[in-house]
Amino acid sequence: AQRVTQPEKLLSVFKGAPVELKCNYSYSGSPELFWYVQYSRQRLQLLLRHISRESIKGFTADLNKGETSFHLKKPFAQEEDSAMYYCALSLMPKTSYDKVIFGPGTSLSVIP
Amino acid sequence: DGGITQSPKYLFRKEGQNVTLSCEQNLNHDAMYWYRQDPGQGLRLIYYSQIVNDFQKGDIAEGYSVSREKKESFPLTVTSAQKNPTAFYLCASRAAGGFGGELFFGEGSRLTVL
Repeated sequence: AQRVTQPEKLLSVFKGAPVELKCNYSYSGSPELFWYVQYSRQRLQLLLRHISRESIKGFTADLNKGETSFHLKKPFAQEEDSAMYYCALSLMPKTSYDKVIFGPGTSLSVIP
Repeated sequence: DGGITQSPKYLFRKEGQNVTLSCEQNLNHDAMYWYRQDPGQGLRLIYYSQIVNDFQKGDIAEGYSVSREKKESFPLTVTSAQKNPTAFYLCASRAAGGFGGELFFGEGSRLTVL
């Protein structure tokens, strides 16, 4: 069965320190992976997607098919990065139905 | 102002009652989704729909029902059969058929069963 795991429920780092939020997935097809972020009192929104290979707000994520991982990284954490982060897997390319599943989320707290 | 609108934001229900949550989008998106958000469990997929008059069960569909009579609307009914309905419910949509399409979310509806 398809699944997304995020091993850390809570992650605290100091401002300026590197941060890595882990995401692993299980899926036999070609994955389409995303990171979504939810800031306090805001809607859930897209942070980045693996096919774009872009850097958003200093965050990057590389798809590692061998390790089935899509970890989110930022070299220098900022206070405004404090939020809830969700890794998501879309099954759209493989199946006829447009299913998107999420991991349990990691709450990132950046300490001033 | 384009986007997804969920209503009501807060809803209280007595045990044994059905309740319907509204989700409307004006983004002309084909695909729509309902998720349940619980602390520590993230977003769990309830139902999703790719086109009008078609929808699929997600991972936790028991006790819920949906309809998709119009492209812009995807209401969710929480029935009395749902054993633990108190939760935060999120609706989302995206354009179908594209690789890497972004999900757009509503602000959510918080349901409390008294």
